[in-house]
Amino acid sequence: EIVMTQSPATLSVSPGERATLSCRASQSVSSNLAWYQQKPGQAPRLLIYGASTRATGIPARFSGSGSGTEFTLTISSLQSEDFAVYYCQQYNNWPPPYTFGQGTKLEIK
Amino acid sequence: EVQLVESGGGLVQPGGSLRLSCAASGFTFSSYWMSWVRQAPGKGLEWVANIKQDGSEKYYVDSVKGRFTISRDNAKNSLYLQMNSLRAEDTAVYYCAREERSAPGAFDIWGQGTMVTVSS
Repeated sequence: EIVMTQSPATLSVSPGERATLSCRASQSVSSNLAWYQQKPGQAPRLLIYGASTRATGIPARFSGSGSGTEFTLTISSLQSEDFAVYYCQQYNNWPPPYTFGQGTKLEIK
Repeated sequence: EVQLVESGGGLVQPGGSLRLSCAASGFTFSSYWMSWVRQAPGKGLEWVANIKQDGSEKYYVDSVKGRFTISRDNAKNSLYLQMNSLRAEDTAVYYCAREERSAPGAFDIWGQGTMVTVSS
């Protein structure tokens, strides 16, 4: 099983600033990496797939990069609605299981 | 509107059974891989199982193999999860999720979730 490790566990950033979230895979997942945002009481929302492709309707301030084992989600200028928990997930394993990171909580500084 | 709506959650005793359903609308259900993903209270996300468009391939996380069965009825635009021999550690919100067509394994549409509580 591929283990996904996210850092940091909690990130405190002020509105308008840039946030950088990291995700590391225990072995290469190529570019088969997705990022999700989850707010309290809500289902996750797909932000990025293919490591860098924004999902439909996702604002341009969200960007993803990386390949292999190291990935980054960048939010260029934080808006109030961006404070949430973010998960990375690999889907390179075939057959599954697909695996998620433990999450990074992005909180207001 | 593209939508997934889960139902069937509830309180069940350890060793009991429950069947979850997911009703899909607003898209061609039969064209997509579908998955179940769960989230224990206060915890992260865990992929549980998925099923191919025609139901011919099914995969499970090790912790549910032999206890859970995923199925679908394309005529009814519905996904199911039959859960048997339930354990306390199966307590979670269960989400139905559509796999992205160009990137199967990435979940582009999620339901609102249904809560399963396993407790005596």
